[in-house]
Amino acid sequence: GAGVSQSPRYKVAKRGQDVALRCDPISGHVSLFWYQQALGQGPEFLTYFQNEAQLDKSGLPSDRFFAERPEGSVSTLKIQRTQKEDSAVYLCASSLKRAGANVLTFGAGSRLTVL
Amino acid sequence: QKEVEQNSGPLSVPEGAIASLNCTYSDRGSQSFFWYRQYSGKSPELIMSIYSNGDKEDGRFTAQLNKASQYVSLLIRDSQPSDSATYLCAVNLYNFNKFYFGSGTKLNVKP
Repeated sequence: GAGVSQSPRYKVAKRGQDVALRCDPISGHVSLFWYQQALGQGPEFLTYFQNEAQLDKSGLPSDRFFAERPEGSVSTLKIQRTQKEDSAVYLCASSLKRAGANVLTFGAGSRLTVL
Repeated sequence: QKEVEQNSGPLSVPEGAIASLNCTYSDRGSQSFFWYRQYSGKSPELIMSIYSNGDKEDGRFTAQLNKASQYVSLLIRDSQPSDSATYLCAVNLYNFNKFYFGSGTKLNVKP
């Protein structure tokens, strides 16, 4: 596609519910990143994929967070048993090559509100 | 200590003035440096990237990098109200997998 597409754009969940956030990167982009951005803060790294391989998941805040990219294109970030502190914008970004001297193109984000 | 530090602002400048945004980073292994602009409620968009010491100019924007001082800056000449946004500094470390972002500096350009 022309850009990074994320869905849903807005999600309201009750505490304890599971949510799934989808990212469709730019076609042909090898690298895919998930970031969490709290209000008034910069994006915080969650996890990184190179094709279908999850090479770094050190930023995932707890074992309730899980990400996958089974065919090396679309990725899903799943949050189980959501908590209020999970409320944030979840940004997906992709880049053409392996990370390094490459730039990130961000999607519009998925804003999660946990009540 | 955060990997990337920025003054949160807000930085207010009059239209037509030069806006100067600053960023420091902690890891000397950092190799790539980026400035992103983020309008309220929108996603970050890339303005400039810089990889070597010195200045890099692109239109009204100039990025400056000083690796010895671990310092990156962004100058915006002839500031316009449409430049009002939050500017995020990002740093890519030698292991290539992570881009660390600062918390951003909010810029207000007053007409």
